[in-house]
Amino acid sequence: NAGVTQTPKFQVLKTGQSMTLQCAQDMNHNSMYWYRQDPGMGLRLIYYSASEGTTDKGEVPNGYNVSRLNKREFSLRLESAAPSQTSVYFCASSEAGTGYPLHFGNGTRLTVT
Amino acid sequence: SQQGEEDPQALSIQEGENATMNCSYKTSINNLQWYRQNSGRGLVHLILIRSNEREKHSGRLRVTLDTSKKSSSLLITASRAADTASYFCATDATNTGFQKLVFGTGTRLLVSP
Repeated sequence: NAGVTQTPKFQVLKTGQSMTLQCAQDMNHNSMYWYRQDPGMGLRLIYYSASEGTTDKGEVPNGYNVSRLNKREFSLRLESAAPSQTSVYFCASSEAGTGYPLHFGNGTRLTVT
Repeated sequence: SQQGEEDPQALSIQEGENATMNCSYKTSINNLQWYRQNSGRGLVHLILIRSNEREKHSGRLRVTLDTSKKSSSLLITASRAADTASYFCATDATNTGFQKLVFGTGTRLLVSP
């Protein structure tokens, strides 16, 4: 049982390049989330999907877009990467919202030069 | 915006000692969760405590919640070197609509053999 799988694990981009971070869960969870983690800042919510077919902005959505492709997959897209988006990105899922534990992937470490 | 703040920021103890970490938050909550993060990995859920609960146990972990003081504590008893990790509290809020978890900045625990 893989849980939450994120790809890629590492990525280096130049300023202005675009990329998509992929996330898939195999636990039949309804809710999925994208967080970024920066030193001294904890985790901050970028976007979330309460259920298949819905997406909403979190605390720090600027510069990102998301797609809930189906119940399993939730991707995060950076259209024009900036150095401020250098961070570790985590995808998570939960059965249905915050009354349930979140299950996290192992993260994507992104560097924008 | 940070909802939970952990204290201390860092804690260094010897194997066999107990470790206590505290979390304070600002607004009323539905539940509070504790997570562990090993270096370079995703977060792992430890315990969820609901607003109408005062204490929960899981193995060597004991979590308390004092809603009047808006605070929680995580106690790890008889610590082991493998407990070395960062520990985060996460809270939701009692607003209407879909709830999201907001994470604190974490406590870094070092357990020396």
